Amino acid sequence: GAGVSQSPRYKVAKRGQDVALRCDPISGHVSLFWYQQALGQGPEFLTYFQNEAQLDKSGLPSDRFFAERPEGSVSTLKIQRTQQEDSAVYLCASSLRAGGPHNEQFFGPGTRLTVL
Amino acid sequence: AQSVSQHNHHVILSEAASLELGCNYSYGGTVNLFWYVQYPGQHLQLLLKYFSGDPLVKGIKGFEAEFIKSKFSFNLRKPSVQWSDTAEYFCAVNPNAGNNRKLIWGLGTSLAVNP
Repeated sequence: GAGVSQSPRYKVAKRGQDVALRCDPISGHVSLFWYQQALGQGPEFLTYFQNEAQLDKSGLPSDRFFAERPEGSVSTLKIQRTQQEDSAVYLCASSLRAGGPHNEQFFGPGTRLTVL
Repeated sequence: AQSVSQHNHHVILSEAASLELGCNYSYGGTVNLFWYVQYPGQHLQLLLKYFSGDPLVKGIKGFEAEFIKSKFSFNLRKPSVQWSDTAEYFCAVNPNAGNNRKLIWGLGTSLAVNP
């Protein structure tokens, strides 16, 4: 595709509900990242995939957060038993290569999650 | 703690004024440095990046940034801002260049340019 797309763009969940956020990276991009951006803050790293392998999940805040990229393209971030503190914009980014210089991350528009 | 600091949270300028936004980081070793911009209603996009070589980096839309290793700084500059530069600006660092590509971000600076 022309860019990184994310769906839904907006999600309202009741506390305790499970949510699934989808990311479609740019076609052919090897690397995929998830970030969480709370209101008035910079993005915070959550997890990183190289193709289908999740190489870094050190930023996932709890075991309620789970991400997958089973075929090395589309990724889903799942949050179980949502809490109010999970309210944030969830950003997905992809980059062409697995490493090396000039490896720009391209960002999607984000999914704004509001937990009531 | 390792971090990225942006000194100015809100900046208001008139058109044609010069801009400098500060960014400092606290990581040792080799780092990759980035400035991203988010225009109202749009997604994050890359303004410029530093990986190696000339510490003065030029980006899109007339922006530039200077990497000063001894000061752990990567300040963003533009000689003459325009109303269309109104946006949120984020400094980001890859603290373990080449091995882990996750970005560590500053809190952002909101820039408003008055016509």
